[in-house]
Amino acid sequence: SQELEQSPQSLIVQEGKNLTINCTSSKTLYGLYWYKQKYGEGLIFLMMLQKGGEEKSHEKITAKLDEKKQQSSLHITASQPSHAGIYLCGADNIGSNYQLIWGAGTKLIIKP
Amino acid sequence: EAQVTQNPRYLITVTGKKLTVTCSQNMNHEYMSWYRQDPGLGLRQIYYSMNVEVTDKGDVPEGYKVSRKEKRNFPLILESPSPNQTSLYFCASSGSGRKQFFGPGTRLTVL
Repeated sequence: SQELEQSPQSLIVQEGKNLTINCTSSKTLYGLYWYKQKYGEGLIFLMMLQKGGEEKSHEKITAKLDEKKQQSSLHITASQPSHAGIYLCGADNIGSNYQLIWGAGTKLIIKP
Repeated sequence: EAQVTQNPRYLITVTGKKLTVTCSQNMNHEYMSWYRQDPGLGLRQIYYSMNVEVTDKGDVPEGYKVSRKEKRNFPLILESPSPNQTSLYFCASSGSGRKQFFGPGTRLTVL
C-alpha cells in the first residue's frame, strides 16, 4: 500500500527565514495536496499538484512535485507568524476514486 | 458560502453515553468522510460515503457508526464511547475532483 512520509516532523524557524517541508511517497503520485491546519482547527487547502515538475505558488508559499512524481516540497519564503501551524500532504489513493492517504504532518513554529 | 459544518465543536462526555456528531455540507458533494486526528498519527479515516445510502469502512472504524440518508448530512455516531476515542474529529466532503473540503473539527473528550 502507498505511504506518505513527511519531514521534518517539526520545525522551529526564526521569523523572516525560509524553510522547506518534504513529502515523499512510496509510489508514484497522481495527485498531491497540501493543506495547512492552525492548531486544533480545520484544514485549509493550499495547493494541488498533478504533473511531474509542476510548481505552484501562492503568496510566499511554493509547492513543487518532482519529475519522478514521488516527492513534493513546500517552500515558504520570508516566514511570518501567520505561517505557523501544521502542514499536511495528502495524495490520491490509486485504489479508490475519492480517498486520499495522508502524511503525519509537519508542525511549524515561527519564532519572533 | 460553500462550507462543511460540524456540531458540536467541543464535547466532553463519559464512557458509555451515546453521542452523535453532525456533519453537513452545502456543496452538493457526493463523497463525505470522517477522520480522527491524534498526535503523531496524522489523519486516519474512520468511515466514508460515496453517495446516499452508500457507506464503507476506513482504516479505524471500530466503535463508530455512520449513516447517509441525505446527500448533505453524514453524522458520526459513537454508541458507547470509550476514553480511547478521545480525539479531534474532522468531517470532509469532495465533489467531482478529489480536493477535500474540511469542517472546523470536533474536539471530543471521553472521561
